[in-house]
Amino acid sequence: SQQGEEDPQALSIQEGENATMNCSYKTSINNLQWYRQNSGRGLVHLILIRSNEREKHSGRLRVTLDTSKKSSSLLITASRAADTASYFCATDESGGYQKVTFGTGTKLQVIP
Amino acid sequence: DVKVTQSSRYLVKRTGEKVFLECVQDMDHENMFWYRQDPGLGLRLIYFSYDVKMKEKGDIPEGYSVSREKKERFSLILESASTNQTSMYLCASTPGGYETQYFGPGTRLLVL
Repeated sequence: SQQGEEDPQALSIQEGENATMNCSYKTSINNLQWYRQNSGRGLVHLILIRSNEREKHSGRLRVTLDTSKKSSSLLITASRAADTASYFCATDESGGYQKVTFGTGTKLQVIP
Repeated sequence: DVKVTQSSRYLVKRTGEKVFLECVQDMDHENMFWYRQDPGLGLRLIYFSYDVKMKEKGDIPEGYSVSREKKERFSLILESASTNQTSMYLCASTPGGYETQYFGPGTRLLVL
């Protein structure tokens, strides 16, 4: 069953603008992760935020987590054409065993 | 750097054929995973393994089996390929727990 649902499904912005993607999930989690996938390739891990954290930064990435709303957002600042990719959130359920559930992804296009 | 390799990038098979997809990781990870990825459905877990010779069903195991005879190698087997198994197959590994998953480049399988 799908745990994470990303919003929007697709996003098109100009280079230099910020991109925000959202993820909602249904059950209590231990961690939430964001991954990136370039077209036709495997996924690459971007950032992990634990359930007791509210915000985390990594370079141009900023992730927030609101466990009361069961939602997270990924902000990419000053986007570049090379950021064009699909972005997925992944959650592991509290009490779950060593597996994560991926959402359906947001397809980001950054126009040069 | 962790490296996860998959035996083929592209594969074309006929209905009814037995298909082997192989995945190898070089970082002594305990856990390995097989996903399939379809447009609009995101990644769905087929099987995972947390130790040699151990396997657990994921969300969509029907029509698939797996083998893990050595720690570094996790094979996905389609006993009798069907057209609805046409998909992108992604292998991943993780050192354990709810941690970062390292993905292979994927195998795009077409069943005719």
